[in-house]
Amino acid sequence: DIQMTQSPSSLSASVGDRVTITCRASQSISNYLNWYQQKPGKAPKLLIYAASGLQSGVPSRFSGSGSGTDFTLTISSLQPEDFATYYCQQSYGTPLIFGGGTKVEIK
Amino acid sequence: QITLKESGPTLVKPTQTLTLTCTFSGFSLSTSGVGVGWIRQPPGQALEWLALIYWDDDKRYSPSLKSGLTITKDTSRNQVVLTMTNMDPVDTATYYCARYTPQSSGTYYNSFDYWGQGTLVTVSS
Repeated sequence: DIQMTQSPSSLSASVGDRVTITCRASQSISNYLNWYQQKPGKAPKLLIYAASGLQSGVPSRFSGSGSGTDFTLTISSLQPEDFATYYCQQSYGTPLIFGGGTKVEIK
Repeated sequence: QITLKESGPTLVKPTQTLTLTCTFSGFSLSTSGVGVGWIRQPPGQALEWLALIYWDDDKRYSPSLKSGLTITKDTSRNQVVLTMTNMDPVDTATYYCARYTPQSSGTYYNSFDYWGQGTLVTVSS
């Protein structure tokens, strides 16, 4: 099975900061990589599909990059509503695996 | 408008079988390329994919749970049902259903784009 490793597991940042979260796959998954945002008590929300595709309605401050085994989610200017936990997920094949999550907290 | 909603018991006893129903609207599970999956999240932990069923009745399961899982669909009623046998306290979690589909037509770049609100299932005697 493909394993997905996210780093860091948590980070503290201030409003306006540029934030970068990484996700590494245990084998090449081309660009079959999705990113989700989850706020406490809520269902996850799709942000990025196919490594860099911005889901409809998602602010342009969110961007994704990468291919193969290494991927990045970037928030260009952190907003108060962005404090949440972020998950990557590979869609290269089943089993579908999520990363362990990155919690973005207020500094 | 696309919606999904999970329903089922909130409390089950150890060794019992859990049956969860996902009732959806705004899309059809007979449309080529569309799937519905189940994902769970134990309290304070990460997301874990459980099972997926596609429009053509292709079914996929998490290898670690495969022996205890069954996913079925009722296209006419817009429902997907997940059964999980021999429940254990470690299976206590919020269970979500979500649509799994390509975000770009004609591609295989699938993602979970619409989610239900989730239902918390507690396993305890």
